[in-house]
Formats: sequence, C-alpha cells, structure tokens
Amino acid sequence: AQKITQTQPGMFVQEKEAVTLDCTYDTSDPSYGLFWYKQPSSGEMIFLIYQGSYDQQNATEGRYSLNFQKARKSANLVISASQLGDSAMYFCATTNTGNQFYFGTGTSLTVIP
Amino acid sequence: NAGVTQTPKFQVLKTGQSMTLQCAQDMNHEYMSWYRQDPGMGLRLIHYSVGAGITDQGEVPNGYNVSRSTTEDFPLRLLSAAPSQTSVYFCASRHRLGGYTFGSGTRLTVV
Repeated sequence: AQKITQTQPGMFVQEKEAVTLDCTYDTSDPSYGLFWYKQPSSGEMIFLIYQGSYDQQNATEGRYSLNFQKARKSANLVISASQLGDSAMYFCATTNTGNQFYFGTGTSLTVIP
Repeated sequence: NAGVTQTPKFQVLKTGQSMTLQCAQDMNHEYMSWYRQDPGMGLRLIHYSVGAGITDQGEVPNGYNVSRSTTEDFPLRLLSAAPSQTSVYFCASRHRLGGYTFGSGTRLTVV
C-alpha cells in the first residue's frame, strides 16, 4: 500500500513570500502519480498540480511548483508570492498502477499580512 | 458542466438509521470514489469504482455499501448508522489518467 507523510501540521508564511510544504511518499510501484490539493475553509477540494513518476521536469502551475525528488521519494509543493487567499489546508496524494488514491493528513497554511 | 454533485450537504441521523448519500458526475469519468475526512486523518478511501458494474473496497469499507449501475452515479449507503460514522464525506471522480474532481461534501452527524 502507498503511504503519504506530511510532517508539517501547520505552517505560517508572510504575504508575498514563498513557502514549501513537505510531502514524502512510500511506494514500491514503478509508476505513480503525485497530486496536491487545496482545501479552503469552505471545505471544497481543489486540484492544484500533478507530477508523474516518469516526468523528467518538475511540474509547475502558475505560482505552484512541485519539487520532485524521486530518489528521496519527496514531492514538496512550493507556493511563490503567497497571497492571503492561499490560507487553507493542503493535501498531498498519490496514485499507483492500481489507481487507488492515498492522501496525507494535510498541512494547514496561514498567510500573514 | 455541473461536475460532481453530492446530496445532501448536511444530514443528521439517529444511531441505527440507514441512508444513502447520492453522487453524480456528468464528465463521463470512469473512476469514482468515496472518501471520509476526519480531523487529523486526511481523507480515507471507503469504496471506489473503476467503471459501471465494478466496485471495490478501500481502507475503511465497514458499514458502507456502494453500487455503480451507471457511469454517472455512485451512491454510498450507510446500512446502520453509528456515531463513529460522523464525518465529512466526499465523492470524487476522474478519468483513468487524471486527478480527482471532488464534490462539495456531505457533513454527516450520527447521534
């Protein structure tokens, strides 16, 4: 089974600064995907970014980038130029060839004005 | 497109009652799943389906049933509600190679 670990239960960042949210995973599958989701206080789950295990380059989506270090089995989310609206829970997730999704326990990010 | 539609948004049940959480998607996604979200535990997979007529158990299937008679619908049935099933439930769907699109969630309280 997959395992996702998010070791930072809570993070604070100053507005306009960059922040890195950590995610490590444990899998024996050769092919897998890594995802990040945002959950604001309103409760919905918003897809942010995806990285495939065979992708050579780190994924980027606007202010979000995924720092993928395959050998270390880490998939950290980097948010550049933080905005107040970035305050939310962030979940790392992975899927494998069996196509099941596994989520971490999440990191609560607070952006300070 | 409506995306993934979950109903109801809120529900209070008495212990022992049964109910069905509805989930429908209009994106022709093959994969659909039900998750429950509890504080400090992230999202845990209850049941999932990779296509009409096919369902399988996730991490925490006990006390729940699902069926997938059509591509669009994936209802979750609570057979005999227990206080331990108090949670927020999310339905999600995706294409085989894509990320999940989530419904807006159902907040269930069992008293």
